[in-house]
Amino acid sequence: AQSVTQPDIHITVSEGASLELRCNYSYGATPYLFWYVQSPGQGLQLLLKYFSGDTLVQGIKGFEAEFKRSQSSFNLRKPSVHWSDAAEYFCAVGDSGNTPLVFGKGTRLSVIA
Amino acid sequence: DAMVIQNPRYQVTQFGKPVTLSCSQTLNHNVMYWYQQKSSQAPKLLFHYYDKDFNNEADTPDNFQSRRPNTSFCFLDIRSPGLGDAAMYLCATSRGGPGGETQYFGPGTRLLVL
Repeated sequence: AQSVTQPDIHITVSEGASLELRCNYSYGATPYLFWYVQSPGQGLQLLLKYFSGDTLVQGIKGFEAEFKRSQSSFNLRKPSVHWSDAAEYFCAVGDSGNTPLVFGKGTRLSVIA
Repeated sequence: DAMVIQNPRYQVTQFGKPVTLSCSQTLNHNVMYWYQQKSSQAPKLLFHYYDKDFNNEADTPDNFQSRRPNTSFCFLDIRSPGLGDAAMYLCATSRGGPGGETQYFGPGTRLLVL
């Protein structure tokens, strides 16, 4: 069965600092990988996704993620965090079939001045 | 703009009183999903429709039902809400899937059970 682990429940970074959110997955074949962001009281918004091809994926709001098959990871990065990035971030894994997406438990990002 | 709309944004109901949450989409997507999300937790899939085909997750309580009268609309019915059903309910859509397609989420309906 597919599974997703986000090891960090809560991360605090200073505004302007770099950010890396970790995501590890367990899946037998090549997974479809997603990062979603959720602001308080809102739905989820897609930041980026990986299906195949270039393992470094660019997303919206200056985010990027790198798929590393050898490490079963899909970490999210941003070179310079803005206060508006404070939110909950979810990594998810799926496949090309009818198996529903599996979400990680999320990482809450706080940004301090 | 094409979007996923959920009404109402906040719903208060009484213990045991049936409640219906609604979702509509202008994306013309084939698949519609209902998720339950409790505080500080990941969204939990309740069920999804692929066109008119209903797919219920194995651990979704019988208390939760869904209807999809047409492509654009999907409803979540909670027949007898309990205190444990208080949560954010998220509707999402995708063109295909459900595993390999981007899902587009609505803003959610926060349900409070008194």
